Amino acid sequence: ETGVTQTPRHLVMGMTNKKSLKCEQHLGHNAMYWYKQSAKKPLELMFVYNFKEQTENNSVPSRFSPECPNSSHLFLHLHTLQPEDSALYLCASSQAPTDSYEQYFGPGTRLTVT
Amino acid sequence: AQKVTQAQTEISVVEKEDVTLDCVYETRDTTYYLFWYKQPPSGELVFLIRRNSFDEQNEISGRYSWNFQKSTSSFNFTITASQVVDSAVYFCGSYNQGGKLIFGQGTELSVKP
Repeated sequence: ETGVTQTPRHLVMGMTNKKSLKCEQHLGHNAMYWYKQSAKKPLELMFVYNFKEQTENNSVPSRFSPECPNSSHLFLHLHTLQPEDSALYLCASSQAPTDSYEQYFGPGTRLTVT
Repeated sequence: AQKVTQAQTEISVVEKEDVTLDCVYETRDTTYYLFWYKQPPSGELVFLIRRNSFDEQNEISGRYSWNFQKSTSSFNFTITASQVVDSAVYFCGSYNQGGKLIFGQGTELSVKP
């Protein structure tokens, strides 16, 4: 595998379910990100991790819980979501979380909350 | 506050036409970076270009070219001789010194055969 991979690609869950999104990067990067892309809205940054440490939480509700066990893996744990949380969730990585490095994105997980 | 505006929500052209996607940015930083990404129907954001604020030289890569003008705070993207495979949503973005990537709303380009 190369680049940034995300699983699953599609997920349908009820409001009472608990599920997790997984992201893995094979680029040797140190920073990883979660973004949310809703229909007709710009991409919204959710979380930033640098060397496994969370450096930014962009006022994300606690029903979204990130986990970064190492620099190559990033999870987004979901519980008691709302229908408005339905969106494309994109993971990205970069060499470092600064302006000098471009971010590389995965294909995303299309989440539908019923 | 940092902001990126892509005023064109949708553009439709016929194959082989040239098309320009507009991007206007706002920032108070003296040092910043601007980006363009392509998002095909598969969903993955594909990095196209990064430009720093000290380099106003225009860039050409094959059929793609970028025009960076600080005087008008614009970073426009032109596709020459468009092809059906160019159909995608294109995002312009800026990156401030705090490391936060700000995206515009995106322009959906449809190239018809």
